[in-house]
Amino acid sequence: AQSVTQLDSQVPVFEEAPVELRCNYSSSVSVYLFWYVQYPNQGLQLLLKYLSGSTLVKGINGFEAEFNKSQTSFHLRKPSVHISDTAEYFCAVSGYSGNTPLVFGKGTRLSVIA
Amino acid sequence: KAGVTQTPRYLIKTRGQQVTLSCSPISGHRSVSWYQQTPGQGLQFLFEYFSETQRNKGNFPGRFSGRQFSNSRSEMNVSTLELGDSALYLCASSPLGGVESSQYFGPGTRLTVL
Repeated sequence: AQSVTQLDSQVPVFEEAPVELRCNYSSSVSVYLFWYVQYPNQGLQLLLKYLSGSTLVKGINGFEAEFNKSQTSFHLRKPSVHISDTAEYFCAVSGYSGNTPLVFGKGTRLSVIA
Repeated sequence: KAGVTQTPRYLIKTRGQQVTLSCSPISGHRSVSWYQQTPGQGLQFLFEYFSETQRNKGNFPGRFSGRQFSNSRSEMNVSTLELGDSALYLCASSPLGGVESSQYFGPGTRLTVL
């Protein structure tokens, strides 16, 4: 079974500052990793995903994440945030084997301050 | 292309009643997954349907059931509602199912059980 820990429930950051949202996972098998964003009163939107290959993954809206197998981490970063990035961010993991469903972290609330 | 649509968007029921939620996937998508989102438990996988067959099921009681029709539209049913069933229910569709195939989420149905 897989599990995900998002280390910060809330992250306040000033506009145009860099941000890192932390995600650690646990799994006994190889994994796929995802970051989703949820804006107020909306569903989830896929930001990026790691399936294989390069450990640095670039996503939409200027976000990127780095898969670190030895540290079982998949932290999300953005070099300069905007007010519009204020949202809830979810890290998710799935095992390679079969049709394993996504397991989500509890989420990190990113608040961008003007 | 139209996105994933869910109806109704908001629903209020009383304990003991049953409810049916509907999800229309993106045209051409054959897989539909359902998730429950609550402040306490976060996002939890309910089940996945692919070509009218349930392919995967999360750890929920039998009061939660679903089905998928030949046009890929899906319904989720909850019988004998409990207060703890109050949640945002999210539907996601993908072309082929499996996590390699990106999931697209609908806006959700907000269910309140009184």
